[in-house]
Amino acid sequence: DADVTQTPRNRITKTGKRIMLECSQTKGHDRMYWYRQDPGLGLRLIYYSFDVKDINKGEISDGYSVSRQAQAKFSLSLESAIPNQTALYFCATSDLRDNTGELFFGEGSRLTVL
Amino acid sequence: GNSVTQMEGPVTLSEEAFLTINCTYTATGYPSLFWYVQYPGEGLQLLLKATKADDKGSNKGFEATYRKETTSFHLEKGSVQVSDSAVYFCALSDRAAGNKLTFGGGTRVLVKP
Repeated sequence: DADVTQTPRNRITKTGKRIMLECSQTKGHDRMYWYRQDPGLGLRLIYYSFDVKDINKGEISDGYSVSRQAQAKFSLSLESAIPNQTALYFCATSDLRDNTGELFFGEGSRLTVL
Repeated sequence: GNSVTQMEGPVTLSEEAFLTINCTYTATGYPSLFWYVQYPGEGLQLLLKATKADDKGSNKGFEATYRKETTSFHLEKGSVQVSDSAVYFCALSDRAAGNKLTFGGGTRVLVKP
């Protein structure tokens, strides 16, 4: 089983619908992240959390919200999806004790907003 | 702010050719540098990293050297295989900002038999 698991892997929805992407990890890491991948733009940080009581906005947080339900779970919500939120979304984790910042990624959730 | 610039793709090569993907960065401090690889249909996985100037990261025949004087971290492989076809991302981590990673735009590499 993957250390970082994302659900769903694929989702097609309509404009205005609420969507939740879920992430769970078995690595025991404190730090969790949500990134968005668009062609040619690399990965951009949406939100990150350094522990259960810590939530921080990334560079593109508008239109998104997150919840850190437990050390192992970090979910991303789109309250009212719009077509330009069509993208590939990645959850990632890192170890507080690793001072290099290496990230461990899930396999991605592909979201299409019609 | 921090930024990473890498050459745009796609890069198309024949098997056993030499591969170079250029990466330059802008950072306020002394970041760690990474190359991540994304194979088709998969998430990103770490290919190699370097944490200080002149360090060389290497893995699976790939190498990259942290060059502080030219703010570069170019990825090289001497003889590519079809299985190296993937998207490659250069990234830096900023210790001053909790080690968040900043990514380049990615370079798609296609190796033909």
